[in-house]
Amino acid sequence: QAGLTQPPSVSKGLRQTATLTCTGNSNNVGYEGAAWLQQYQGHPPKLLSYRDHNRPSGISERFSASRSGNTASLTITGLQPEDEADYYCSAWDSSVSAWVFGGGTKLTVL
Amino acid sequence: EVQLVESGGGLVQPGGSLRLSCAVSGFTFSSYWISWVRQAPGKGLEWVANINQDGSATYFVGSVKGRFTISRDNAKNSVFLQMNSLRAEDTAVYYCARDTGGCDYWGQGTLVTVSS
Repeated sequence: QAGLTQPPSVSKGLRQTATLTCTGNSNNVGYEGAAWLQQYQGHPPKLLSYRDHNRPSGISERFSASRSGNTASLTITGLQPEDEADYYCSAWDSSVSAWVFGGGTKLTVL
Repeated sequence: EVQLVESGGGLVQPGGSLRLSCAVSGFTFSSYWISWVRQAPGKGLEWVANINQDGSATYFVGSVKGRFTISRDNAKNSVFLQMNSLRAEDTAVYYCARDTGGCDYWGQGTLVTVSS
């Protein structure tokens, strides 16, 4: 099952804005939208957004998600050192009835 | 407080079997789908399987179809992943998670190592 496409790494400066992308197709990202998760090494993932732009309670407003067609985006404003982590997107793929993940983006805050 | 606690991981030989458990508390268990997601050492996340609220619907990633089964006991607030014919490539930390259109609560994971 083909996964979603994410850039392996993104580097941005402190207090800058980072935009992470996730590309799929009409059967997954373009179907019901994408979710975004943050993961620190050795810890379980944490949900940042779901179904494109919905943010769970307790998630900072610095994290915002959107979608254009088959590409989902996660924008993180005012980058902080604690934002340095791995970020994954996921989406339900209706063609194979399975969740698919992107390969993850390692965000480095310089 | 929502909690998901996995257990049952360990070292198993290729071709062997393991049964993972996920004990849930802090929410109405019978109202939610539950997923298993795994992460091989140093690799990304891979969804493995999920099960609907009453256990009547299950889905699996292609690489485990026919080898893994998922079940739940709503009376015991638990989900199970039965893993048979294990392969080296099944080596990973296995997480259970509440599946709500994105997995919003996760356990700490249990490590499964398949090696001779």
